[in-house]
Amino acid sequence: QVQLQESGPGLVKPSETLSLTCNVSGDSISRYYWSWIRQPPGKGLEWIGWIAYISDSGSTNYNPSLKSRVTISVDTSKNQVSLKLSSVTAADTAVYYCARDGGGGHAYFDYWGQGTLVTVSS
Amino acid sequence: QLVLTQSPSASASLGASVKLTCTLSSGHSTYAIAWHQQQPEKGPRYLMKVNSDGSHSKGDGIPDRFSGSSSGAERYLTISSLQSEDEADYYCQTWGTGIRVFGGGTKLTVL
Repeated sequence: QVQLQESGPGLVKPSETLSLTCNVSGDSISRYYWSWIRQPPGKGLEWIGWIAYISDSGSTNYNPSLKSRVTISVDTSKNQVSLKLSSVTAADTAVYYCARDGGGGHAYFDYWGQGTLVTVSS
Repeated sequence: QLVLTQSPSASASLGASVKLTCTLSSGHSTYAIAWHQQQPEKGPRYLMKVNSDGSHSKGDGIPDRFSGSSSGAERYLTISSLQSEDEADYYCQTWGTGIRVFGGGTKLTVL
């Protein structure tokens, strides 16, 4: 059974960098793509970006609206996926989810974490 | 531009059936989509993938009450024998060249 668990600070100051980790169990992160998605309070889902680390080669793609501020990486030794979002503002306050992404012609999210709320406030 | 359009809300009675619609933007009518359910105060859950020919493949443990279909640029999620726990937000999602796209979601109320 694939399980994903997000973790990280629940409060980040404006202009600082948001950093989150997604711990994956029940599957190897080297077999799939992995996406980050966020949901501002009371609003819909927004895709942030994905990473694929297959055959020791990594590739990423980001939502154009966030591309200049986002970095997604993996730690294969820990089976973890990480998200960094720089220069945050109150508009970045959201629940952040990681999800398994099939990639290619199957690029849907078939397993989700439970999400972690990040509030941007001084 | 790849866009998914959903009605903001829908309602149906307990025990009845409801059909939710997700519409693909012009030029993308052959794209597959996925449906996700988000119950109140919970994270999303994958329900199924729906292909342009109407075939669908469900996620683990998704009841037979949930089914998918297609017509042209529209993708549907039908829930039969509605239960109280089906009251949730339903999002469709698709993908293009490197990108992932969500619809705005439909809030389903079970009366």
